[in-house]
Amino acid sequence: QSALTQPASVSGSPGQSITISCTGTTSDVAYSNHVTWYQQHPGKAPKLMIYDVSRRSSGVSNRFSGSKSGNTASLTISGLQAEDEADYYCTSYTISKTYVFGSGTKVTVL
Amino acid sequence: QVHLEQSGAEVMKPGASVKISCEASGYTFNNNFMHWVRQAPGQGLEWMGVISPYTANMKSSQMFQARVSLTRDTSTSTFFMELSSLKSEDTAMYYCVGEVAGTYYFDSWGQGTLVTVSS
Repeated sequence: QSALTQPASVSGSPGQSITISCTGTTSDVAYSNHVTWYQQHPGKAPKLMIYDVSRRSSGVSNRFSGSKSGNTASLTISGLQAEDEADYYCTSYTISKTYVFGSGTKVTVL
Repeated sequence: QVHLEQSGAEVMKPGASVKISCEASGYTFNNNFMHWVRQAPGQGLEWMGVISPYTANMKSSQMFQARVSLTRDTSTSTFFMELSSLKSEDTAMYYCVGEVAGTYYFDSWGQGTLVTVSS
């Protein structure tokens, strides 16, 4: 199972909106509504942000939103803030009843 | 509040096996599947496998299928991940990660166990 494809890096200025894509196949992202997004700050364990494509985890700012179309899921961060600078990973449940992570995207706040 | 406490860092020789523990507390033991995820230095996250706390059935990634064993001890609420035939490429931080059964997302993470494979 190959990793889902994410852009290596995305950047934006404070207050702007950015979108991170997560491209898979008919066996994972297109197959499953269990697409999840995690945020990871350096040296820390990942944190659940979005689950089931678009549901925000408890306590997560409504500046974070998720969506999916076909085999591509997306995470949008609106009103970008300095604290959003981190690595972001998508993951999807698969047709084989396994999970696959995305390659990861480094978000930089300019 | 779910708490996952992992065992300490390990330094292993190539070809050896390593066994990491993950003690769970703060919830009903049978309510959470336990996944294992690893992250090599400077690299992304990689799903290794999952174990059911009540049946002990496990499912693993094809990438690790022949080398990974997931077990649990219900008497101590502890999960274990054993990886055999270690290679230098297995040097990574290993996390145990909880999923409330049937939710398909990982909402509790251990602090991680660093495994270094070096001759």
